[in-house]
Amino acid sequence: AQRVTQPEKLLSVFKGAPVELKCNYSYSGSPELFWYVQYSRQRLQLLLRHISRESIKGFTADLNKGETSFHLKKPFAQEEDSAMYYCALSGSARQLTFGSGTQLTVLP
Amino acid sequence: NAGVTQTPKFQVLKTGQSMTLQCAQDMNHNSMYWYRQDPGMGLRLIYYSASEGTTDKGEVPNGYNVSRLNKREFSLRLESAAPSQTSVYFCASSGYGGAYGYTFGSGTRLTVV
Repeated sequence: AQRVTQPEKLLSVFKGAPVELKCNYSYSGSPELFWYVQYSRQRLQLLLRHISRESIKGFTADLNKGETSFHLKKPFAQEEDSAMYYCALSGSARQLTFGSGTQLTVLP
Repeated sequence: NAGVTQTPKFQVLKTGQSMTLQCAQDMNHNSMYWYRQDPGMGLRLIYYSASEGTTDKGEVPNGYNVSRLNKREFSLRLESAAPSQTSVYFCASSGYGGAYGYTFGSGTRLTVV
């Protein structure tokens, strides 16, 4: 079975402060991990994939297999980063399993 | 614009009524999915279709049926709506085995009264 845990339902930071959204997973094989973002009442958009090791909108995420984590980080938060963030895992069945999401609010 | 199109965007049903949510993609993706999004629970997979002609149950299939009409279209049917099915429904599609993630539709906000 595959499982994704996002321990923080809500997270607030001030503009310019660093932000880290936590994601832990449970999967016996080699997972593919993703972060999705959903701005207010919009569709989910792919933010980044661990296999591409990219930085999108200043966000990065590193897969730590030892800690089974895939935390999302940004050094300087912006107000436009306020959104719901979902961590997701794709296993051998190629189905995405989502965490429960973290609502990020960046305060002015 | 290429992508996933869902209709309708909003719907209110009375308990016991039936309806079909439509989804179409124009990216030539093999796989399509239906999720429901509920507060505090994230997105949960209802049904999916790995390829044209196949459908499989996901995590929460009870009360739903699906049809993969062709490669482009994947519909979700509620035969007898219940208040517990009040949710936001998202359709998604993927190609290349999902290696590049899923593309989502804009969602259908369904209320069952």
